[in-house]
Amino acid sequence: DTAVSQTPKYLVTQMGNDKSIKCEQNLGHDTMYWYKQDSKKFLKIMFSYNNKELIINETVPNRFSPKSPDKAHLNLHINSLELGDSAVYFCASSHGPLGPRGDSDTQYFGPGTRLTVL
Amino acid sequence: AQSVTQLDSQVPVFEEAPVELRCNYSSSVSVYLFWYVQYPNQGLQLLLKYLSGSTLVKGINGFEAEFNKSQTSFHLRKPSVHISDTAEYFCAVSELNTGGFKTIFGAGTRLFVKA
Repeated sequence: DTAVSQTPKYLVTQMGNDKSIKCEQNLGHDTMYWYKQDSKKFLKIMFSYNNKELIINETVPNRFSPKSPDKAHLNLHINSLELGDSAVYFCASSHGPLGPRGDSDTQYFGPGTRLTVL
Repeated sequence: AQSVTQLDSQVPVFEEAPVELRCNYSSSVSVYLFWYVQYPNQGLQLLLKYLSGSTLVKGINGFEAEFNKSQTSFHLRKPSVHISDTAEYFCAVSELNTGGFKTIFGAGTRLFVKA
């Protein structure tokens, strides 16, 4: 039933570790996104994929590598975690430019993954 | 380049009072405008959006927003708030470019409804 799901919901890890967050959407959308929300609630786009192709990469350190095995999944792998990576990471999806008029760019968000780096 | 400014970081208000959350944007092309709400420990969900047509847009939970092109504003209003409206509210601007839609979110406004 869930539209956009993320796993895990919470992730606590040590500095220097490598971790992955998974995202899946069952809405049939073409476009998927990763956002980072900091402790002040500021929401910043990190990546956007359309039909498995990277279309937005917003000056994110190359320790962050998104992977889209198919258009329903967009995973985020983070190498060498740093304290500053602690945040809530949200996955979202939308129909994209070829979607139905009026709904092509409405984004549907997952519940978030709270990452804490110790 | 597009940008979004939410003029108030926090808005405390008493239950059943009216509220207005302010949003101004800038963009060099036509844009779509959105308000999203984030309840505690949840993801964002769409409240309402403006694409074209009537400048007054009605959304869920009794919220509405008015698009004002000359003032480049898209303020969110509700005539009478409930405790359950306590949440973070994000204004967003989306424009279509060669790579697809690019959406920029404002910094958020925390609405705190007091009994």
